[in-house]
Amino acid sequence: GEDVEQSLFLSVREGDSSVINCTYTDSSSTYLYWYKQEPGAGLQLLTYIFSNMDMKQDQRLTVLLNKKDKHLSLRIADTQTGDSAIYFCAESRSGNTPLVFGKGTRLSVIA
Amino acid sequence: GAGVSQSPSNKVTEKGKDVELRCDPISGHTALYWYRQSLGQGLEFLIYFQGNSAPDKSGLPSDRFSAERTGGSVSTLTIQRTQQEDSAVYLCASSLDRTGMREQYFGPGTRLTVT
Repeated sequence: GEDVEQSLFLSVREGDSSVINCTYTDSSSTYLYWYKQEPGAGLQLLTYIFSNMDMKQDQRLTVLLNKKDKHLSLRIADTQTGDSAIYFCAESRSGNTPLVFGKGTRLSVIA
Repeated sequence: GAGVSQSPSNKVTEKGKDVELRCDPISGHTALYWYRQSLGQGLEFLIYFQGNSAPDKSGLPSDRFSAERTGGSVSTLTIQRTQQEDSAVYLCASSLDRTGMREQYFGPGTRLTVT
């Protein structure tokens, strides 16, 4: 079956880069997403990448995809205290099918 | 523009009672999804509506759960005879479902507590 795995916790110092990693098992995954969830809030879509891409950059965010290894990463440059949240990796076979989520990585930013 | 809205934001109910949760998707979005977020299970898919097609109910955990979508817009998730294990945050998402536009946007969720 489909499975998405993430490490549960990451702690970084303010100003450093954060790298959150994710692995998935479904080789049919076409769309891979990163969502952010702040305490008490809903899920905010940060970015997504098509499986035929290997990198996507959006301001401080860089997504890297290694399709051969089924490995996805999210790099946040110059991490700020406002980046403290839970980050969810998710995959979808066609983009308009239900998302399969990882359990989320809790990012703590130390001032 | 307006995002996905859900009501109520919080619901406390007694075990055995029925509850209805409402979702208003982004205007024009043809696809609508319900997910559940609980401590033990993470984020789980429940049900998916796409246009006029029959809904994908494969994620519903039991026959106490049902959902409908009226007029291709608002959706209601109904849980009958609630149990304590139904306590979770119920999230709704919608998407435009057009080639090249595959983002799913989430509402703030309804926190359900069954006592």
